[in-house]
Amino acid sequence: GQNIDQPTEMTATEGAIVQINCTYQTSGFNGLFWYQQHAGEAPTFLSYNVLDGLEEKGRFSSFLSRSKGYSYLLLKELQMKDSASYLCAVRDSNYQLIWGAGTKLIIKP
Amino acid sequence: GAGVSQSPRYKVAKRGQDVALRCDPISGHVSLFWYQQALGQGPEFLTYFQNEAQLDKSGLPSDRFFAERPEGSVSTLKIQRTQQEDSAVYLCASSYTGTSDSSYEQYFGPGTRLTVT
Repeated sequence: GQNIDQPTEMTATEGAIVQINCTYQTSGFNGLFWYQQHAGEAPTFLSYNVLDGLEEKGRFSSFLSRSKGYSYLLLKELQMKDSASYLCAVRDSNYQLIWGAGTKLIIKP
Repeated sequence: GAGVSQSPRYKVAKRGQDVALRCDPISGHVSLFWYQQALGQGPEFLTYFQNEAQLDKSGLPSDRFFAERPEGSVSTLKIQRTQQEDSAVYLCASSYTGTSDSSYEQYFGPGTRLTVT
């Protein structure tokens, strides 16, 4: 079966750095996405990786290792508004997105 | 509007009632997706349209679920004879290109929270 694993919840301090890991086992791979979802709101796109390596976009970076079935999202200079769920999703061989359950990130002052 | 809109935002239905959920995608977007999201979980794929064609409905949980997009823009997800297990948030997303394009992203609507009592 297809499986995406990410931690259920993480806590970090304002101004610090946090890394959210995602491991996947899917039937085929056509890219990995990270989305942010605030409580009661729609997911919003953060990043896309299809090749191995690091993609940097402002305070957010995303890393991919296809051989290891592994990705992480790195958030720097954390702000209170970064408190949200972070969803990892993999596009499979049918080009459909398989979603993880999300990691709830709690930022403390 | 600039984004994906969905209506109603909240729907309470009695068990056995039929419901219809509407999605207005971003104008010009080719692809439209419906997802079901339970509390504390990621979205689960229901169905996918490319223009008016429903190319994948493998995620629809039963034949009580039906979706259409007759003119390739607005889409409706219909649930017949609702059951308590249908209670969830139903998300609609659209994207500019077809799913095989290399880096398309999906834009999500705010969702419809369905509660079946």
